Amino acid sequence: GIQVEQSPPDLILQEGANSTLRCNFSDSVNNLQWFHQNPWGQLINLFYIPSGTKQNGRLSATTVATERYSLLYISSSQTTDSGVYFCAVPNAGNNRKLIWGLGTSLAVNP
Amino acid sequence: GAGVSQSPSNKVTEKGKDVELRCDPISGHTALYWYRQSLGQGLEFLIYFQGNSAPDKSGLPSDRFSAERTGGSVSTLTIQRTQQEDSAVYLCASSHGTSLYSNQPQHFGDGTRLSIL
Repeated sequence: GIQVEQSPPDLILQEGANSTLRCNFSDSVNNLQWFHQNPWGQLINLFYIPSGTKQNGRLSATTVATERYSLLYISSSQTTDSGVYFCAVPNAGNNRKLIWGLGTSLAVNP
Repeated sequence: GAGVSQSPSNKVTEKGKDVELRCDPISGHTALYWYRQSLGQGLEFLIYFQGNSAPDKSGLPSDRFSAERTGGSVSTLTIQRTQQEDSAVYLCASSHGTSLYSNQPQHFGDGTRLSIL
């Protein structure tokens, strides 16, 4: 089945810093989602981005489907950005079962 | 409501008891999914419903786990004779799931945190 790898596994930032999180996937996909799981466990949709670039405030994401990766950019990070960032793609042959990366655990220090 | 609703938000029970978890999907979403997240782990797919039927049950960990969905809406996940390894956060998601909308994103509830003593 499709493999999803995220990097880095852990990241510590000072408030105000920028960062880039990466998601590599092993097969072609027709959609990709980025999620933020906050320290209370809530899973929040960030982007649904099969290709191209989207921006939402301080966050933006780019997926290059032909090269099988997606990037999540966090600018001017805030302590509330802390948590785990997951990317997920549909399993080959079944668009509805999401295959998840192991996540990037982000801690933003004041 | 506007989002996926799960209940209870927390459940603590003794080993060997049965538990039932509930998920109310977003209105109009025909596809519904259950996932499990153990402490410090990623999300593990359990089961997927399209309408009231479950074409993919491959993720259910054992025959102690079952799920049903009625009326194309509410779903319940039942765990019988709970074991300590069942402790996890159980997350439900829904999406537009018809073939016309097979690329629609999944929207998640806040989860049920299950603790087996």
